[in-house]
Amino acid sequence: DAKTTQPNSMESNEEEPVHLPCNHSTISGTDYIHWYRQLPSQGPEYVIHGLTSNVNNRMASLAIAEDRKSSTLILHRATLRDAAVYYCILMPLGGGNKLTFGTGTQLKVEL
Amino acid sequence: GAVVSQHPSWVICKSGTSVKIECRSLDFQATTMFWYRQFPKQSLMLMATSNEGSKATYEQGVEKDKFLINHASLTLSTLTVTSAHPEDSSFYICSARGFGSNYGYTFGSGTRLTVV
Repeated sequence: DAKTTQPNSMESNEEEPVHLPCNHSTISGTDYIHWYRQLPSQGPEYVIHGLTSNVNNRMASLAIAEDRKSSTLILHRATLRDAAVYYCILMPLGGGNKLTFGTGTQLKVEL
Repeated sequence: GAVVSQHPSWVICKSGTSVKIECRSLDFQATTMFWYRQFPKQSLMLMATSNEGSKATYEQGVEKDKFLINHASLTLSTLTVTSAHPEDSSFYICSARGFGSNYGYTFGSGTRLTVV
């Protein structure tokens, strides 16, 4: 499976935008880029996904580099409830058979 | 949206006993379910893939006789930790994917297992 690289941790102030980067230089042409987040003591939850174009939903935006070797999850206004571990994961077309989690980025949000 | 219910949310058991964890897809049929284990401060580790009506596929290093998985219907998979020991104490999480989905996986809320 293609691998992703994320910073171990990031900090943000409440109400500020947050840009969480992810490198995936070995991505294949049919890999979707998925983002999940895990709040403390909970299962992961889906955040957003994309293939080539930038995507927006009610939770976040996903900016995908033109060469698709990196992407950035954007939280437009961080809140304390956004403090979580964010995972960037590549998923093959058709869903694939496994979802392999890397170490993710621990986002800390301060007042 | 798709909902996965996991039960119990926490359990404490004595060493040597067995514990069953249930994972249900509430509003969709899940041909495939996945079981993960997560130790404190670590990422999720895939234990096994559960396919409805067939034997589960275990990841390397996971003992299939210790972690029994049954996926008897399109909405229910169970994980039984047999002869539990303190080192089996962990956070167990299931996830499910529906038919032909490119839209990711839905996760249960997890089960905190403590073996004393």
